[in-house]
Amino acid sequence: GAVVSQHPSRVICKSGTSVKIECRSLDFQATTMFWYRQFPKQSLMLMATSNEGSKATYEQGVEKDKFLINHASLTLSTLTVTSAHPEDSSFYICSASSPSGGINEKLFFGSGTQLSVL
Amino acid sequence: GQQVMQIPQYQHVQEGEDFTTYCNSSTTLSNIQWYKQRPGGHPVFLIQLVKSGEVKKQKRLTFQFGEAKKNSSLHITATQTTDVGTYFCAGQDSYDKVIFGPGTSLSVIP
Repeated sequence: GAVVSQHPSRVICKSGTSVKIECRSLDFQATTMFWYRQFPKQSLMLMATSNEGSKATYEQGVEKDKFLINHASLTLSTLTVTSAHPEDSSFYICSASSPSGGINEKLFFGSGTQLSVL
Repeated sequence: GQQVMQIPQYQHVQEGEDFTTYCNSSTTLSNIQWYKQRPGGHPVFLIQLVKSGEVKKQKRLTFQFGEAKKNSSLHITATQTTDVGTYFCAGQDSYDKVIFGPGTSLSVIP
């Protein structure tokens, strides 16, 4: 199946710094990528939908100035957590739709990034 | 907005017993997907159901999509320790948004 690569897998940073997470589709072009956040033992919460060449669509309650999303190419989307604070510590995971297109698409997930803010 | 619910939240079974998790959406879905996440891992796609009343099988796993396309179930026959993990359903609505249920965490006692 399609492969989605996500880096880094783990990052520890000081409060107030910014962290960038990359999500790449390795063997297909993804016009749409999704960013999720998962707290321990909880479900995946959709944060935003990233569309290549246009602004991301954020879910209600997600601060767009806090979580900057850039989808500059058909194979790369980045999520930057700006001025991170301990409450931003979480597991962030990206996904991309399979290349078949249409509304009946399945998602392939990256391996996730565990962010710990001290 | 769209909500996806899943029960039970946790299930502990003896190895060899059957297991079922149920998924319900507040809105009609264009399709429903099931994912499995092992402890410490990322979600892995299992299957997608599209048609009303659809039933699909993968070895010991049986997936059903309700007639109204608002509910679904995953049934595992004769569980094994390799089945341990959290099973998520994810519903895709008419706006292409995929919303995950809270998941059912399965523990299998050898």
